[in-house]
Amino acid sequence: DADVTQTPRNRITKTGKRIMLECSQTKGHDRMYWYRQDPGLGLRLIYYSFDVKDINKGEISDGYSVSRQAQAKFSLSLESAIPNQTALYFCATSDWGETQYFGPGTRLLVL
Amino acid sequence: GENVEQHPSTLSVQEGDSAVIKCTYSDSASNYFPWYKQELGKGPQLIIDIRSNVGEKKDQRIAVTLNKTAKHFSLHITETQPEDSAVYFCAASKMNSGYSTLTFGKGTMLLVSP
Repeated sequence: DADVTQTPRNRITKTGKRIMLECSQTKGHDRMYWYRQDPGLGLRLIYYSFDVKDINKGEISDGYSVSRQAQAKFSLSLESAIPNQTALYFCATSDWGETQYFGPGTRLLVL
Repeated sequence: GENVEQHPSTLSVQEGDSAVIKCTYSDSASNYFPWYKQELGKGPQLIIDIRSNVGEKKDQRIAVTLNKTAKHFSLHITETQPEDSAVYFCAASKMNSGYSTLTFGKGTMLLVSP
Protein backbone atom coordinates (compact mmCIF):
# COMPACT_ATOMS: atom_id res chain seq x y z
CA ASP A 1 0.00 0.00 0.00
CA ALA A 2 1.13 3.56 -0.72
CA ASP A 3 2.55 5.50 2.23
CA VAL A 4 0.82 8.77 1.26
CA THR A 5 -2.62 8.59 -0.31
CA GLN A 6 -4.80 11.35 -1.71
CA THR A 7 -8.51 11.29 -2.46
CA PRO A 8 -10.00 11.95 -4.88
CA ARG A 9 -7.41 11.50 -7.64
CA ASN A 10 -9.47 13.55 -10.07
CA ARG A 11 -12.26 16.02 -9.44
CA ILE A 12 -14.38 18.29 -11.61
CA THR A 13 -16.41 20.94 -9.86
CA LYS A 14 -18.23 24.16 -10.62
CA THR A 15 -17.42 27.72 -9.63
CA GLY A 16 -18.69 28.51 -6.15
CA LYS A 17 -18.80 24.93 -4.89
CA ARG A 18 -17.06 23.84 -1.71
CA ILE A 19 -14.74 20.90 -2.09
CA MET A 20 -12.37 18.99 0.14
CA LEU A 21 -9.22 17.14 -0.81
CA GLU A 22 -8.02 14.54 1.64
CA CYS A 23 -4.59 13.20 2.47
CA SER A 24 -3.67 10.23 4.63
CA GLN A 25 -0.26 8.84 5.50
CA THR A 26 0.99 5.67 7.13
CA LYS A 27 4.58 6.83 7.57
CA GLY A 28 4.03 8.05 11.13
CA HIS A 29 5.33 11.52 10.25
CA ASP A 30 4.37 14.58 12.25
CA ARG A 31 4.73 17.06 9.41
CA MET A 32 2.32 17.41 6.51
CA TYR A 33 2.11 19.84 3.61
CA TRP A 34 -0.20 20.87 0.79
CA TYR A 35 1.28 22.09 -2.49
CA ARG A 36 -0.20 23.30 -5.73
CA GLN A 37 1.48 22.59 -9.09
CA ASP A 38 0.77 24.67 -12.19
CA PRO A 39 2.58 24.32 -15.52
CA GLY A 40 5.66 26.51 -15.53
CA LEU A 41 5.21 27.57 -11.91
CA GLY A 42 6.61 24.58 -10.07
CA LEU A 43 5.40 23.55 -6.63
CA ARG A 44 4.00 26.25 -4.37
CA LEU A 45 3.24 25.72 -0.71
CA ILE A 46 -0.36 26.34 0.36
CA TYR A 47 -0.42 25.26 4.02
CA TYR A 48 1.71 23.15 6.32
CA SER A 49 1.41 21.54 9.72
CA PHE A 50 4.31 20.47 11.92
CA ASP A 51 2.08 18.57 14.35
CA VAL A 52 -1.59 17.99 15.08
CA LYS A 53 -2.07 21.33 16.84
CA ASP A 54 0.00 23.37 14.39
CA ILE A 55 -1.28 25.02 11.19
CA ASN A 56 0.73 27.52 9.13
CA LYS A 57 0.01 29.47 5.97
CA GLY A 58 2.29 28.97 3.04
CA GLU A 59 3.05 31.12 0.03
CA ILE A 60 -0.45 30.96 -1.53
CA SER A 61 -3.04 30.29 1.20
CA ASP A 62 -5.74 32.73 0.05
CA GLY A 63 -8.92 30.89 -0.93
CA TYR A 64 -7.88 27.71 0.89
CA SER A 65 -8.26 26.30 4.38
CA VAL A 66 -6.95 23.13 6.04
CA SER A 67 -7.79 20.78 8.86
CA ARG A 68 -5.38 18.44 10.65
CA GLN A 69 -7.76 15.82 11.98
CA ALA A 70 -5.07 13.49 13.27
CA GLN A 71 -1.38 12.83 12.86
CA ALA A 72 -2.18 10.80 9.77
CA LYS A 73 -4.77 13.05 8.13
CA PHE A 74 -4.55 16.53 6.61
CA SER A 75 -7.39 17.94 4.51
CA LEU A 76 -7.43 20.90 2.13
CA SER A 77 -10.68 22.77 1.48
CA LEU A 78 -11.68 25.24 -1.18
CA GLU A 79 -14.59 27.10 0.38
CA SER A 80 -15.81 28.59 -2.90
CA ALA A 81 -13.93 27.19 -5.85
CA ILE A 82 -12.91 29.48 -8.72
CA PRO A 83 -11.49 28.56 -12.16
CA ASN A 84 -7.95 29.75 -11.36
CA GLN A 85 -7.79 27.10 -8.65
CA THR A 86 -7.68 24.53 -11.42
CA ALA A 87 -4.38 22.74 -10.77
CA LEU A 88 -2.63 19.59 -9.59
CA TYR A 89 -2.56 19.37 -5.80
CA PHE A 90 -0.01 17.38 -3.83
CA CYS A 91 0.14 16.38 -0.22
CA ALA A 92 3.53 15.59 1.34
CA THR A 93 4.84 14.40 4.68
CA SER A 94 8.14 14.50 6.50
CA ASP A 95 9.60 13.68 9.88
CA TRP A 96 12.19 15.84 11.63
CA GLY A 97 14.51 15.21 8.70
CA GLU A 98 14.30 17.12 5.50
CA THR A 99 13.03 14.54 3.00
CA GLN A 100 9.45 15.09 1.94
CA TYR A 101 7.37 12.18 0.67
CA PHE A 102 4.69 13.13 -1.82
CA GLY A 103 1.33 11.59 -2.57
CA PRO A 104 0.20 10.81 -6.12
CA GLY A 105 -1.67 14.09 -6.52
CA THR A 106 -5.24 15.25 -7.11
CA ARG A 107 -6.10 16.80 -10.44
CA LEU A 108 -8.78 19.47 -9.93
CA LEU A 109 -10.76 21.20 -12.65
CA VAL A 110 -13.01 24.12 -11.71
CA LEU A 111 -15.50 25.03 -14.41
CA GLY B 1 11.69 35.03 1.62
CA GLU B 2 13.73 32.58 -0.38
CA ASN B 3 13.59 32.66 -4.19
CA VAL B 4 14.87 29.77 -6.31
CA GLU B 5 15.50 30.17 -10.02
CA GLN B 6 15.90 27.05 -12.18
CA HIS B 7 17.23 26.70 -15.75
CA PRO B 8 16.59 25.49 -18.33
CA SER B 9 12.84 24.92 -18.30
CA THR B 10 13.20 22.17 -20.91
CA LEU B 11 16.20 20.06 -21.88
CA SER B 12 16.46 17.51 -24.66
CA VAL B 13 19.42 15.14 -24.90
CA GLN B 14 20.37 11.97 -26.70
CA GLU B 15 20.67 8.76 -24.74
CA GLY B 16 24.17 8.48 -23.31
CA ASP B 17 24.75 12.24 -23.20
CA SER B 18 25.11 14.21 -19.98
CA ALA B 19 22.47 16.61 -18.68
CA VAL B 20 22.99 19.58 -16.37
CA ILE B 21 20.28 21.55 -14.59
CA LYS B 22 21.17 24.72 -12.71
CA CYS B 23 19.57 26.56 -9.81
CA THR B 24 20.30 29.76 -7.96
CA TYR B 25 18.94 30.80 -4.59
CA SER B 26 18.61 34.18 -2.94
CA ASP B 27 18.86 33.57 0.82
CA SER B 28 22.48 33.10 1.91
CA ALA B 29 21.23 31.40 5.09
CA SER B 30 19.78 28.46 3.12
CA ASN B 31 21.72 25.31 3.95
CA TYR B 32 19.85 22.37 2.45
CA PHE B 33 19.36 21.73 -1.27
CA PRO B 34 17.39 18.68 -2.44
CA TRP B 35 16.53 17.58 -5.96
CA TYR B 36 13.23 15.86 -6.77
CA LYS B 37 12.24 13.85 -9.84
CA GLN B 38 8.62 13.75 -10.97
CA GLU B 39 7.60 11.07 -13.43
CA LEU B 40 4.43 11.42 -15.45
CA GLY B 41 1.34 10.95 -13.31
CA LYS B 42 3.26 10.66 -10.07
CA GLY B 43 4.31 12.82 -7.15
CA PRO B 44 7.87 14.19 -6.87
CA GLN B 45 10.45 11.88 -5.33
CA LEU B 46 13.78 12.84 -3.74
CA ILE B 47 16.75 11.67 -5.80
CA ILE B 48 19.68 13.44 -4.14
CA ASP B 49 20.36 16.26 -1.71
CA ILE B 50 23.30 18.30 -0.47
CA ARG B 51 24.00 20.38 2.60
CA SER B 52 25.95 23.61 2.74
CA ASN B 53 28.96 22.03 4.44
CA VAL B 54 29.61 19.89 1.35
CA GLY B 55 30.63 21.05 -2.12
CA GLU B 56 29.72 17.95 -4.10
CA LYS B 57 27.80 14.71 -3.66
CA LYS B 58 27.55 11.77 -6.02
CA ASP B 59 25.22 8.78 -6.29
CA GLN B 60 25.95 6.53 -9.25
CA ARG B 61 25.06 8.54 -12.40
CA ILE B 62 23.75 11.53 -10.47
CA ALA B 63 25.80 14.27 -8.83
CA VAL B 64 25.04 17.61 -7.26
CA THR B 65 27.45 20.50 -6.82
CA LEU B 66 27.07 23.54 -4.60
CA ASN B 67 28.78 26.92 -4.79
CA LYS B 68 27.80 28.83 -1.65
CA THR B 69 29.63 31.99 -2.68
CA ALA B 70 27.70 32.25 -5.90
CA LYS B 71 24.51 30.82 -4.29
CA HIS B 72 24.32 28.31 -7.08
CA PHE B 73 23.81 24.53 -7.21
CA SER B 74 23.53 22.09 -10.09
CA LEU B 75 22.33 18.57 -10.89
CA HIS B 76 24.49 16.49 -13.21
CA ILE B 77 23.20 13.30 -14.81
CA THR B 78 25.72 11.25 -16.79
CA GLU B 79 25.05 8.49 -19.33
CA THR B 80 21.40 9.49 -19.58
CA GLN B 81 18.81 6.82 -20.24
CA PRO B 82 15.22 7.11 -21.52
CA GLU B 83 13.94 6.38 -18.00
CA ASP B 84 15.62 9.60 -16.84
CA SER B 85 12.95 11.49 -18.78
CA ALA B 86 10.93 13.40 -16.18
CA VAL B 87 10.47 16.80 -14.58
CA TYR B 88 13.22 17.71 -12.12
CA PHE B 89 12.80 20.24 -9.32
CA CYS B 90 15.48 21.86 -7.21
CA ALA B 91 14.65 23.30 -3.81
CA ALA B 92 16.26 25.20 -0.96
CA SER B 93 15.59 25.62 2.74
CA LYS B 94 17.09 26.76 6.01
CA MET B 95 17.22 23.74 8.28
CA ASN B 96 17.34 25.76 11.49
CA SER B 97 16.23 23.85 14.55
CA GLY B 98 14.06 21.67 12.32
CA TYR B 99 11.52 24.37 11.55
CA SER B 100 11.68 25.19 7.88
CA THR B 101 9.95 24.62 4.58
CA LEU B 102 11.21 23.98 1.07
CA THR B 103 11.11 26.60 -1.69
CA PHE B 104 11.03 24.91 -5.09
CA GLY B 105 12.28 26.02 -8.47
CA LYS B 106 9.85 25.98 -11.37
CA GLY B 107 11.11 22.68 -12.74
CA THR B 108 13.00 21.35 -15.76
CA MET B 109 11.45 18.89 -18.17
CA LEU B 110 14.19 16.50 -19.29
CA LEU B 111 13.60 14.42 -22.42
CA VAL B 112 16.09 11.68 -23.23
CA SER B 113 15.73 10.39 -26.77
CA PRO B 114 16.83 6.82 -27.62
